[in-house]
Amino acid sequence: EDKVVQSPLSLVVHEGDTVTLNCSYEVTNFRSLLWYKQEKKAPTFLFMLTSSGIEKKSGRLSSILDKKELFSILNITATQTGDSAVYLCAVGAIGANSKLTFGKGITLSVRP
Amino acid sequence: DAGVTQSPTHLIKTRGQQVTLRCSPKSGHDTVSWYQQALGQGPQFIFQYYEEEERQRGNFPDRFSGHQFPNYSSELNVNALLLGDSALYLCASSYLRGNYNEQFFGPGTRLTVL
Repeated sequence: EDKVVQSPLSLVVHEGDTVTLNCSYEVTNFRSLLWYKQEKKAPTFLFMLTSSGIEKKSGRLSSILDKKELFSILNITATQTGDSAVYLCAVGAIGANSKLTFGKGITLSVRP
Repeated sequence: DAGVTQSPTHLIKTRGQQVTLRCSPKSGHDTVSWYQQALGQGPQFIFQYYEEEERQRGNFPDRFSGHQFPNYSSELNVNALLLGDSALYLCASSYLRGNYNEQFFGPGTRLTVL
């Protein structure tokens, strides 16, 4: 059965800090790893990673995938209070099995 | 460009009742997936529809059923509601012939079963 484990489950930081969120996975026929930000309801798409070692960046957020060690990290630099949210990691597989398997999420609280 | 839309936003039902939730996918998308998210948990896959057929199903009982229409919109039906069905129900759309893992979510329907 596909499995995604995120850590830590929650953390509290102060504005300006840098945080690293972790995601490890076990999935048959891995295709993609995705990161989402969920503030109130809809998970908002952040990144999709398919290739190992290639960093994706968007402003203060960046993410990288290690397909050998089966994990990914999401980095947020110079955190702001607006970064407070639940960050979800999901994995998808090749072929007809295109469902996403999610981790429990990491609750990030950024204090002023 | 309209994103994924869902209705209603909130719903309160009592045990034993039936409910129908609706979803319209993002423009250009042809596949709709439904997820259930309990409080403090990640979304759990319910099923996926493409070409008006259920392509894949997660570990949910037959009380959960769905439908996809020719315009790609979809419905999720839950019969004989249980207290444990209280959750946020999320719809996600994708394009099967693209990277179908790239799924975009709607705002969800919050279902409360009393």
